[in-house]
Amino acid sequence: NAGVTQTPKFQVLKTGQSMTLQCAQDMNHNSMYWYRQDPGMGLRLIYYSASEGTTDKGEVPNGYNVSRLNKREFSLRLESAAPSQTSVYFCASSGQGPAGSQYFGPGTRLTVL
Amino acid sequence: QQQVKQSPQSLIVQKGGISIINCAYENTAFDYFPWYQQFPGKGPALLIAIRPDVSEKKEGRFTISFNKSAKQFSLHIMDSQPGDSATYFCAARASGTYKYIFGTGTRLKVLA
Repeated sequence: NAGVTQTPKFQVLKTGQSMTLQCAQDMNHNSMYWYRQDPGMGLRLIYYSASEGTTDKGEVPNGYNVSRLNKREFSLRLESAAPSQTSVYFCASSGQGPAGSQYFGPGTRLTVL
Repeated sequence: QQQVKQSPQSLIVQKGGISIINCAYENTAFDYFPWYQQFPGKGPALLIAIRPDVSEKKEGRFTISFNKSAKQFSLHIMDSQPGDSATYFCAARASGTYKYIFGTGTRLKVLA
């Protein structure tokens, strides 16, 4: 039981390049999330998917797109990377109900030059 | 914009002491309040959580105190240990949604 997995662990991009961050969970959770973490700013929600087939914007969606491929997988795409997108990206998932706490992946450290 | 304000930004405590981290939220209905612990290079891990109909929850050395009228909640770590040195985040889930708002984090260092 791996929990939440993310690939890649590290990535360096040049400004304007595109890439997709992959996330998968094996806990049969309905909801999945993408966050970015920057020093002094905590975790900020980029997009989330309450259930398979739905996605919604979070606090900082600009410059990103997401795809909920199936119940297990939720990807984050940067179409044209910018230096401001240098960050650590975390994927998370949560189950249903009032105690649906989130479980986080190990993160992807992205640097945009 | 919904906010959760967390303090202090950093905290140094002697081994065996009590670590206290505070969070406050503003003018928005939240229905679930988890705390996360994060070690360097790792993702946040759920530590303990509370619902607003409960004023206190204890799990081992970790206790959440919740004051609904003041819109404040806090994490207490009793008998703090060097292994507790990490960054701690409070969070709040907006009622009826799956959206969580996080505090900005507290970096705790426990001296041996």
